[in-house]
Amino acid sequence: GAVVSQHPSWVICKSGTSVKIECRSLDFQATTMFWYRQFPKQSLMLMATSNEGSKATYEQGVEKDKFLINHASLTLSTLTVTSAHPEDSSFYICSASGTSAFEQYFGPGTRLTVT
Amino acid sequence: QKEVEQNSGPLSVPEGAIASLNCTYSDRVSQSFFWYRQYSGKSPELIMSIYSNGDKEDGRFTAQLNKASQYVSLLIRDSQPSDSATYLCAVKRRNSGYALNFGKGTSLLVTP
Repeated sequence: GAVVSQHPSWVICKSGTSVKIECRSLDFQATTMFWYRQFPKQSLMLMATSNEGSKATYEQGVEKDKFLINHASLTLSTLTVTSAHPEDSSFYICSASGTSAFEQYFGPGTRLTVT
Repeated sequence: QKEVEQNSGPLSVPEGAIASLNCTYSDRVSQSFFWYRQYSGKSPELIMSIYSNGDKEDGRFTAQLNKASQYVSLLIRDSQPSDSATYLCAVKRRNSGYALNFGKGTSLLVTP
């Protein structure tokens, strides 16, 4: 149980374009989903927390207009990187909670490369 | 002071030995603690959660929690080369729903 999927697993896009990443909880209802970014050899950095049906809460320093998060249902959250630039190239990982006891389950991640 | 601290390692242990990974946290009212394993290029995988002082065992893994000293540790018995990975300690944030603070992780290398 507690399976989280992400799509796509990797994407290459040109500078200035937008990219949408989907995160789905497959076998449970996720009351809360999280979006992280991880640069090479660094730890996870929480970008935002989203609850179904409400606006996401962004961490300090994360541009909400650049990283658009939508949590339309209890099983789906999307992250859209708008006007992507090479410095946005990173490993984006979502996680979901909702089973019990605050445990978070991670999706497999999306590797974004902006050229 | 960082909220969750771990030695970055690498920690090298021979196959079959016990690997001991440590983590300290700054918020003394924290109640929920987690260990994740992350292989290179992959996303984290939950190994264990622990909420009460003492030991919690699951197979070859034992999590230990000491709230008075504000540390949590993970012991891996009979270490295998496949255990080589980065181990992340995570602590639930206060008053923040399900959000976690992660340490930077300890790199473990199990040598055959």
